[in-house]
Amino acid sequence: RKEVEQDPGPFNVPEGATVAFNCTYSNSASQSFFWYRQDCRKEPKLLMSVYSSGNEDGRFTAQLNRASQYISLLIRDSKLSDSATYLCVVNGITGRRALTFGSGTRLQVQP
Amino acid sequence: SAVISQKPSRDICQRGTSLTIQCQVDSQVTMMFWYRQQPGQSLTLIATANQGSEATYESGFVIDKFPISRPNLTFSTLTVSNMSPEDSSIYLCSVGGGQTGELFFGEGSRLTVL
Repeated sequence: RKEVEQDPGPFNVPEGATVAFNCTYSNSASQSFFWYRQDCRKEPKLLMSVYSSGNEDGRFTAQLNRASQYISLLIRDSKLSDSATYLCVVNGITGRRALTFGSGTRLQVQP
Repeated sequence: SAVISQKPSRDICQRGTSLTIQCQVDSQVTMMFWYRQQPGQSLTLIATANQGSEATYESGFVIDKFPISRPNLTFSTLTVSNMSPEDSSIYLCSVGGGQTGELFFGEGSRLTVL
C-alpha cells in the first residue's frame, strides 16, 4: 500500500465550479500534512498546510480527519489559473524532516 | 525561503555513463534532500544529504548507484551511476521540510538516458 494515495484525475471542471480532492495516508504516526501545487514542468510549491481544526485560505479549504487518515482540499470558484497538479504531502515520522508525496491529482479548469 | 540552483538543467546521456548533478543553496542548511520524479509520477525521495556524515538512503536506493557528496552547508551533488533508460527522470534538490512542511526545490535536472 502506498504511504499517500490520491485519485490521479484528471478533473476537468468549468470555471467557477467547486472541486474537491481527497487523499489518504497509511502511517498513523504522521504528524504534519500539506497540499502542494505543481505546474507543468515546474517544481512543486507549498499551497497550504492542513490543520486538525481545518483551515481556509481564500478559495481554498483544507481538512484533516486523523481517525480516518484522510485529508481533503476544496477549491471554490475555480479559476483557469488553478489548473495544475495538486500533491498531498505528509511528514511521516517524528524527527524525519523529509516529506512523502502522493502521486498528485491533476486539475484542468476550462473556460 | 531559500533559493536553490541546480546544474545541469537537462542532459541527454548514453547508457552506462554517469552524470553528476550539482545543487547550490543561498543559505546554510543542515539537511538537503534529493528527490526523483519519473515521467507522469510524483516525487520519490532518494536520500537525505547530511553535512559531515554519510547520506541516508531510502528503501530501493543505494549508495553505489546514487553516490552523494555534501562538502559544506550550502552545496551537494548527486551522481547517477552506470545509467540505464530507466534512470530517465527529473532529479530535484530541496531544503526545508520538518514541521513547517515547506520544502523549497531547485528547478530540477531533467535527465534522458538513451
